[in-house]
Amino acid sequence: QVQLVESGGGGVQPGRSLRLSCGVSGFTFSGYAMQWVRQAPGKGLDWVAVISHDGAHKYYADSVKGRFTVSRDNSKGTLFLQMNSLRPEDTAVYYCARSGYHYAIDFWGQGTLVTVSS
Amino acid sequence: QSALTQPPSVSGSPGQSVTISCTGTSSDIGSFNRVSWYQQPPGTAPKLLIYEVTNRPSEVPDRFSGSKSGNTASLTISGLQAEDEADYYCSFYTSSSTVGFGGGTKLTVL
Repeated sequence: QVQLVESGGGGVQPGRSLRLSCGVSGFTFSGYAMQWVRQAPGKGLDWVAVISHDGAHKYYADSVKGRFTVSRDNSKGTLFLQMNSLRPEDTAVYYCARSGYHYAIDFWGQGTLVTVSS
Repeated sequence: QSALTQPPSVSGSPGQSVTISCTGTSSDIGSFNRVSWYQQPPGTAPKLLIYEVTNRPSEVPDRFSGSKSGNTASLTISGLQAEDEADYYCSFYTSSSTVGFGGGTKLTVL
């Protein structure tokens, strides 16, 4: 079955960097666009970034543009999110998610918590 | 990204029906059927309930249904059960695969 497993979260000071990874199984990774979505504690879902199936196209939320970079390694079935210049407002659970073929995110990982605090 | 408006909370008794609205604009919901709904019980990841306004993944019970009128999409849950208590989010999927979410609606089963 489809599985997405995030890793790399943790505590970090403001201004520092962190790299999240998402390993997938159960489907042909190279056939799907992939998303990062975050959720601050007690808040709603907040879209972060999307990368096309081949990595050629990437789009970012205005709040992270210029600081975050999404990438993927189709040979290893892994999605990444490089987060630089982190701010306290970036504190959230970060979800890796698959874009299905019907204009929807159809599968989500369990999430990894990123805490930005001094 | 789209800014979609949902009511913060709704409630209903077991067996009743509730409807959650999601209001966008003529540029998003009003023009395209790219609306999805997600269920998120406390402490868990979101789960897809409805895609393309009205379609259900095979594993989702038919108590959950979606519709759209003008710039507003709606999720209706019939025959409310205690396990339906969760947060519900609508979303709109753009042509560049970016996603806008509603603010979320907390469903309380009385």
